[in-house]
Amino acid sequence: DAGITQSPRYKITETGRQVTLMCHQTWSHSYMFWYRQDLGHGLRLIYYSAAADITDKGEVPDGYVVSRSKTENFPLTLESATRSQTSVYFCASSEFTGDGYTFGSGTRLTVV
Amino acid sequence: AQKITQTQPGMFVQEKEAVTLDCTYDTSDQSYGLFWYKQPSSGEMIFLIYQGSYDEQNATEGRYSLNFQKARKSANLVISASQLGDSAMYFCAIRPNQAGTALIFGKGTTLSVSS
Repeated sequence: DAGITQSPRYKITETGRQVTLMCHQTWSHSYMFWYRQDLGHGLRLIYYSAAADITDKGEVPDGYVVSRSKTENFPLTLESATRSQTSVYFCASSEFTGDGYTFGSGTRLTVV
Repeated sequence: AQKITQTQPGMFVQEKEAVTLDCTYDTSDQSYGLFWYKQPSSGEMIFLIYQGSYDEQNATEGRYSLNFQKARKSANLVISASQLGDSAMYFCAIRPNQAGTALIFGKGTTLSVSS
């Protein structure tokens, strides 16, 4: 299916575990982004990528790692999950700098 | 750096009435885009409307219009003839028109439409 797909939709993990959230888009968009959404904070940018092998930090990058070896994939890894990383995570993509984004459906992550 | 401020945590409106959701922004860039997104209770993010900083006309998309006042750095969303399905969280966002930038979102406004 064409579009942007996030997996899993829901994830419960324990403190200290490593967890990877997947994001896949079928349009070959250049730009991809990861946001987290928390009550009272709106959406905050974690990392973004302008192309394969090019990534940059956003507002809240600590505790997260990203990679982009292929244009269509942009996984987000929590190296050692903490309770403060309990959140809803959104992946998004866009073709050009000035475009709006298309968002994935989100991953609800709970760290216990 | 860019910043978006949405000062209304919650708004209440009756069906068929118009409602304005406020958004002010701060940026040092001359060229930028302003966006509004809707997030219903199901959680997906839906793009509503876009306004470029050099656009002379206010953007409109169906029942949505953007009241863009550049000098005041405001980009308010106007929803005409509200419907029950408009009940959702609404986010304003800004993005400079330059490479290597990303959308910066406000904290959102929750709109509740009653019959």
